[in-house]
Formats: sequence, C-alpha cells, structure tokens
Amino acid sequence: EAEVAQSPRYKITEKSQAVAFWCDPISGHATLYWYRQILGQGPELLVQFQDESVVDDSQLPKDRFSAERLKGVDSTLKIQPAELGDSAMYLCASSLEASSPLHFGNGTRLTVT
Amino acid sequence: AQSVTQLDSHVSVSEGTPVLLRCNYSSSYSPSLFWYVQHPNKGLQLLLKYTSAATLVKGINGFEAEFKKSETSFHLTKPSAHMSDAAEYFCVVSVGQAGTALIFGKGTTLSVSS
Repeated sequence: EAEVAQSPRYKITEKSQAVAFWCDPISGHATLYWYRQILGQGPELLVQFQDESVVDDSQLPKDRFSAERLKGVDSTLKIQPAELGDSAMYLCASSLEASSPLHFGNGTRLTVT
Repeated sequence: AQSVTQLDSHVSVSEGTPVLLRCNYSSSYSPSLFWYVQHPNKGLQLLLKYTSAATLVKGINGFEAEFKKSETSFHLTKPSAHMSDAAEYFCVVSVGQAGTALIFGKGTTLSVSS
C-alpha cells in the first residue's frame, strides 16, 4: 500500500536555529496537510494545500513558520527561528481530494533544546 | 464551530473484554466523523468513517461506531479487546465542506492487560 513519506524521522535543533521538514504524499493525492501534535494532545492543523495552493493556513504561526508545495507534489515545512515550544511531532497527511479520508505519514519528531 | 470531546483520557480493559471509547461532537452542519488510531511512534491510521449513510459503521480490526444524532455521540466499540489494540485513539470531526480539514479530539489511551 502506498504511504506518505516524511523525513527526517527525528530532528534535534537548538533554539533560534532554522529547521525544515519534508513530505512526499501518496501519488495523485491533490490535498496535503501539515499537522502539529504536542505530546499528550491531538494533532492540530497548521496548513492545508490543494495542489500548489494554500487553502487554510489560519493556524500557522507565520512569523516563524512557512510551508510550500511548489509543484503541487511534495512539500516542505520550515521553522525559523525555532523556539522551545515548537518541540512536537509534525505530521504530514494527504488525501485524494479534500473530502476524502486522510493518509498520514509517520511524522517528524522535533526536539528544540 | 465544530469540535469533538473524548470523555475519557485513559481506558483500561482486560484482553477479551469489550472496549468502549466515548466521543461527543458539536457541529453546525451535518458532520463527517472519523476514528483514527495511533500506535507508539507511528502515524495515524483510519479506523472508520461516518458520512451520513448507515448510522452503524464498521471499521478495521473489529471496531465499529454508532452515530447517534439525538445524543451527538459517536462512540467506538469492539466486542473483545486484543493486546495489539493498545494505542491512542482519536475521534475526529469534519464539516464536510470541500477544503475543510479534520479537527481532532484530545485522544483516549487504551491499555489492554492480559
């Protein structure tokens, strides 16, 4: 079964440094999501793409976070500068279309020291 | 506004006994509801989905959930727990409009003892 690929699996960075995460969705999936999951909580949506366009980034802290999906396929989420409170699991998900079930990757666990 | 409330943060059962994970939802629209499971250090996996068809929804691994509009509930059940069911379970709501993503509950940790 096709999977959503994410890298790196783990990332440790010092505060004030820049960090980037990469996601490759299932082939043909037009909708891509980035979620943040703080330990002990449910995932929270950061940004949603439809093809290369941002559909919803209302919860993305735009002063430090950015996301792009230039060719409408893979996507990169960047944090600059990282803060201690950014330590979390960052999950990427994709779906065939916006109303379809989401398929999640295994996530990138970020630790900011 | 759409939201879900998972009524128990932690549920413990013995292997072979029934599982009940409770979820109430709030939605201004006819909701789509989901249950996802997350095993340690793994991504989330869809267990089942309700989208206004049959109110009793069957999912993978023997799980099922019943949509009760009068109670605004979507509880997850399984007749007999297995050790491999131990995981974090999330109740999720979607408004169902195109371009609207999922809103997750805080999760219920299911522990299964032998």
